[in-house]
Formats: sequence, C-alpha cells, structure tokens
Amino acid sequence: GAVVSQHPSWVICKSGTSVKIECRSLDFQATTMFWYRQFPKQSLMLMATSNEGSKATYEQGVEKDKFLINHASLTLSTLTVTSAHPEDSSFYICSAGLAGSPDTQYFGPGTRLTVL
Amino acid sequence: AQSVAQPEDQVNVAEGNPLTVKCTYSVSGNPYLFWYVQYPNRGLQFLLKYITGDNLVKGSYGFEAEFNKSQTSFHLKKPSALVSDSALYFCALTGNAGNNRKLIWGLGTSLAVNP
Repeated sequence: GAVVSQHPSWVICKSGTSVKIECRSLDFQATTMFWYRQFPKQSLMLMATSNEGSKATYEQGVEKDKFLINHASLTLSTLTVTSAHPEDSSFYICSAGLAGSPDTQYFGPGTRLTVL
Repeated sequence: AQSVAQPEDQVNVAEGNPLTVKCTYSVSGNPYLFWYVQYPNRGLQFLLKYITGDNLVKGSYGFEAEFNKSQTSFHLKKPSALVSDSALYFCALTGNAGNNRKLIWGLGTSLAVNP
C-alpha cells in the first residue's frame, strides 16, 4: 500500500517550452501532496505544499508563476514548469501523506527533467 | 528554528559490521523524526519514524533508530550491514502535531558498504 507514482520518469525538452509532471497516489487518497526539487548529491528542497481543491503554498524563493501546481483531485497533483530554462534541469520528487498516518510522507520515484 | 544535522557526508563500513548514521536535531516542542533512504535514481523510501513511546524504533530492512532527547539525537543503526544497504540516507523532522506538516531535511549521508 501507499504507492505514489510520477509520470514521466524522465523528460528532455527545449528551452522555452513547458513541461507537466504528474503525481498520483495509487491506492490511497492524499489531501496534501508535496513537491520537492533535488540537485545531484544534495538534500531535498521543498518547493510547495499542494492541497486538494485549493491553491498551493509555495516556499520562499519559489516562483509560483513558473512552477504551476494543481491538485484537482484526492489522487492527482501536477507540477508544470513553464518556459523552462537549463537551470530548471533537476530531479523533481512528489510525496503524499497517508490518511491515518499524516506525519509520514510517501514518495514518488521522481522525474528527471533536462532542459536543453 | 527547527533544524536537522547529519554531520557525516559519507560513512564507509565493511559488510557484516554494524553501521551507524548520525542525526541530531533542534526543535521547540516534541519532535517527529524520520529516516528515509534513497537508492540511485529512485525516490525516497520510508524507513522508520519516532512519534512517541519507546525510544528505540524498529523499521524496514533491519534498521532501527534510537531517540535520545537529552542529546537531541536520532541515530540510525543496523547490527550487520549489507552491500545492498549502500544508498543515501536522510534524516527529517517535523515539529509538533502532524497533519502533513512539512518536513525539515538533513543534507543526507551517503552510506557505502564494502564487500
């Protein structure tokens, strides 16, 4: 149980294009999902907290107009990187909390984004 | 301010030997502490957590961690390391009550288990 999937697992795009990453909780409902960014051999940087049916809460320094987050249902949150640039290349990871065990987050496998 | 420190960037241990990955924390109030493991090119996997109760917490893959309030530590341990335990380990913290509070992460410790 408590499986989180991400799609795609990797994506290569041209500079200036937009990329959408999906995060799904496969066997549970997640009222809250989190989006992280991870640089090579570094820790996770929380980008935003996504709540179903409401606007995401962004961390300081994260551009909300560049990283659009939508949490339209209890099992799906999406992150869209708009007008991507090479510096946006990174490993993006989502996580979801499990009802009944709200303090434990379950992580997706991550999406490797490379912007050329 | 809440913080998590993992003082070692890398830990090397021989297969079959006990391993310890260190974590210290700073928080006002009672901490919720977590250990996660990340294998190469994969997402993080939950290992164990301390919320309340017994200070020794047992988790997945034979790992355990001991909550020490006086030393503000939550070191991860395993009696006998396996080569397959080689991965990146993260300690994380959330303060006070739950409900999907955001996690404060340590910088990670790379564990290498040598055959």
